Amino acid sequence: DIVMTQTPLSSPVTLGQPASISCRSSQSLVHSDGNTYLSWLHQRPGQPPRLLIFRISNRFSGVPDRFSGSGAGTDFTLKISRVEAEDVGVYYCMQSTQFPYTFGQGTKLEIK
Amino acid sequence: QVQLQESGPGLVEPSQTLSLTCTVSGGSISSDTYYWSWIRQPAGKGLEWIGRFYTSGSTNYNPSLKSRVTISVDTSKNQFSLKLSSVTAADTAVYYCARTYNTWGQGTLVTVSS
Repeated sequence: DIVMTQTPLSSPVTLGQPASISCRSSQSLVHSDGNTYLSWLHQRPGQPPRLLIFRISNRFSGVPDRFSGSGAGTDFTLKISRVEAEDVGVYYCMQSTQFPYTFGQGTKLEIK
Repeated sequence: QVQLQESGPGLVEPSQTLSLTCTVSGGSISSDTYYWSWIRQPAGKGLEWIGRFYTSGSTNYNPSLKSRVTISVDTSKNQFSLKLSSVTAADTAVYYCARTYNTWGQGTLVTVSS
């Protein structure tokens, strides 16, 4: 299985300040079709996960442009340019390049 | 807008079979090239991918659960289902159905206990 490792596991951030989460995979996520199937999801307490970013850097419909994704191969980053109160919760990276699909452990974003 | 809703027993006895259904509304389960998945999350823990059904007809499962899992689809009811056999307390979790990870159900808690 591909192991997804996120850092940090917890991130206290001041409102209006940037935040960054790293995700590293144990092997390359480049699929044989040339795409890299790395997604980012956000989960608020008591809610299902919500897709933010797919294929490294594509924002899903309705996702604010303060969220951006980057990376390649085995190293990926989610950035929030200016954290807002609604951004609290847990962020997960997920790979859907190889079965079984796997998730990172999650990074808890909280407001200082 | 497509919506998904999980349903099924909230309590299952050990060694029995967990059965859940995901009802799709606002769109046809067979009309588009999406894949339909089950994911679970034990309380306070992370996400585990269980498996997926693709509209082309293929099905893929997590090898850690493969011998116990079946995902099936009923296009006449616009539903897809999860069956997990021989459950133990370790299978206690919130179970989510999802469409290509951009649309999720609200989740349903299944507790395995006698």
